[in-house]
Amino acid sequence: AQRVTQPEKLLSVFKGAPVELKCNYSYSGSPELFWYVQYSRQRLQLLLRHISRESIKGFTADLNKGETSFHLKKPFAQEEDSAMYYCALRSSQGGSEKLVFGKGTKLTVNP
Amino acid sequence: DVKVTQSSRYLVKRTGEKVFLECVQDMDHENMFWYRQDPGLGLRLIYFSYDVKMKEKGDIPEGYSVSREKKERFSLILESASTNQTSMYLCVTGETNTGELFFGEGSRLTVL
Repeated sequence: AQRVTQPEKLLSVFKGAPVELKCNYSYSGSPELFWYVQYSRQRLQLLLRHISRESIKGFTADLNKGETSFHLKKPFAQEEDSAMYYCALRSSQGGSEKLVFGKGTKLTVNP
Repeated sequence: DVKVTQSSRYLVKRTGEKVFLECVQDMDHENMFWYRQDPGLGLRLIYFSYDVKMKEKGDIPEGYSVSREKKERFSLILESASTNQTSMYLCVTGETNTGELFFGEGSRLTVL
């Protein structure tokens, strides 16, 4: 079964400190992973997908198949990074596709 | 710019009432989803649809049904609302090729 685990419900760091939001997955196929972010009072939006290997707003995430992880990292956190972050796995089910989400991590960046 | 519009931002209903949550998208996406978002539980998939008149159960379909009569519209129905269905409901569309999802603003339902 497909599963996404975000072990930390809450994460608090100070501005300028490095931040890492953890994500582990279980999936028998070839995984496609995403990070979604929800800022206060806004809709969820895509932050990163592993296929594009890009850096968005200073965040990066590397897929580690050996450790089945897709941790989100930023070297210097900013206050505007405070938000809810969801890791998601794209999976196939009977010919159709869906995304399975982790339970989310609430990041607070303190001044 | 993709637009996913949910008809009601806030609803208050009584136990046993029938509830319709409507969602319309303007990007011609085939895939549409209904999730509920609860603190500490994250996003859980209720139903999804990959074509008109097609629907698939998600992880928590009990107590819900859906309707997709037109490609751009995906409705979530609670036949008889219960208090444990108090939640934020998110309508989502998906691009088939990239897997990227686009979210509506959400409908916060309170069942008294």
